Amino acid sequence: GQNIDQPTEMTATEGAIVQINCTYQTSGFNGLFWYQQHAGEAPTFLSYNVLDGLEEKGRFSSFLSRSKGYSYLLLKELQMKDSASYLCAAESGSARQLTFGSGTQLTVLP
Amino acid sequence: EAQVTQNPRYLITVTGKKLTVTCSQNMNHEYMSWYRQDPGLGLRQIYYSMNVEVTDKGDVPEGYKVSRKEKRNFPLILESPSPNQTSLYFCASSSPRGPYYGYTFGSGTRLTVV
Repeated sequence: GQNIDQPTEMTATEGAIVQINCTYQTSGFNGLFWYQQHAGEAPTFLSYNVLDGLEEKGRFSSFLSRSKGYSYLLLKELQMKDSASYLCAAESGSARQLTFGSGTQLTVLP
Repeated sequence: EAQVTQNPRYLITVTGKKLTVTCSQNMNHEYMSWYRQDPGLGLRQIYYSMNVEVTDKGDVPEGYKVSRKEKRNFPLILESPSPNQTSLYFCASSSPRGPYYGYTFGSGTRLTVV
């Protein structure tokens, strides 16, 4: 079956760096998504990794190791508005099904 | 503006009364899907569609139906809603040609079944 694990909660200070880890076990793995979701709102796309390595996009970077079934999202120069839930999702199969983790609730403190 | 539109945003209904949640996208995406989101369980896929007239079950399809008669629309039908279907529902779309652009989600429908 499909299994995605990520921490439930994390807390960090404004201006700091935080790394949110995600491990996955899926058959027919295509790639790994990261989404940001503020309470009661729709998830918004942050990144998609297909190949191993680090992809940087402004303050956000995402890393993937296919052999280890591991990814992380790195957020730099944290801002208060970064307080949100961060969802890890593995895409698999020709049907491109998405399996989501339960989300990591990040709280940024002043 | 490229978007996925869901209606209604909020709905309170009674057990057994059939309802439909509409979803429409204006990006000419082939792929559309429905998710429900419950506390501690994350987003779980209900049904998906890879193109017109092509639909398939996701992880939690029981109690739901879908149809895809046109490319832009993918309604979610609850023939006989029950309280355990109280949840936050999201519709999403994407194109196989652009996975790096991610899935675009609608604003969500908060359904309460009493």
